[in-house]
Amino acid sequence: GQNIDQPTEMTATEGAIVQINCTYQTSGFNGLFWYQQHAGEAPTFLSYNVLDGLEEKGRFSSFLSRSKGYSYLLLKELQMKDSASYLCAVTGAGSYQLTFGKGTKLSVIP
Amino acid sequence: DGGITQSPKYLFRKEGQNVTLSCEQNLNHDAMYWYRQDPGQGLRLIYYSQIVNDFQKGDIAEGYSVSREKKESFPLTVTSAQKNPTAFYLCASGQGVGQPQHFGDGTRLSIL
Repeated sequence: GQNIDQPTEMTATEGAIVQINCTYQTSGFNGLFWYQQHAGEAPTFLSYNVLDGLEEKGRFSSFLSRSKGYSYLLLKELQMKDSASYLCAVTGAGSYQLTFGKGTKLSVIP
Repeated sequence: DGGITQSPKYLFRKEGQNVTLSCEQNLNHDAMYWYRQDPGQGLRLIYYSQIVNDFQKGDIAEGYSVSREKKESFPLTVTSAQKNPTAFYLCASGQGVGQPQHFGDGTRLSIL
């Protein structure tokens, strides 16, 4: 089975940097995804990590440590529109399935 | 534009009634998925299909049924056996292992 933990809520200030952590326990691992979901809308794909290290994509970066079962999503230069839930999901070896965490609701305040 | 279309956006079900949620994709993806999302919960997998005419149960398949007669379509039926059907239902598609899933806009189902 797979178990994924993320903080339930976070608050950060506009223009700041925030790090959203995700820890996972899985019987097999083939990659970790981050999605953004605004309230009442569909999740949208942000990043995918399969190897250890940092992947940077504009204001967003994602880090993975497979030995520690740990990932984080780093958001820089926060904007009000970044207020959303951020979902961590893992996929097992050779599996089509994604297992999602419960998501972290980020509130960006002026 | 390529994408995933779910309909209807809002759906109401009477007690004892079956309802079907539509999901169509024109991304030429082999795999399709149905998730349920409840407040404060993550997405939970109901059913998925890797190929036409084949599908597998996810973590919470009881009270639901699906079909995959065409590559583009993966409808979900919420049967009367599903005792707590009120939720936000999301359909997704993907190229397969290690590829991101792309989501439709969702259907919000409520009980009358």
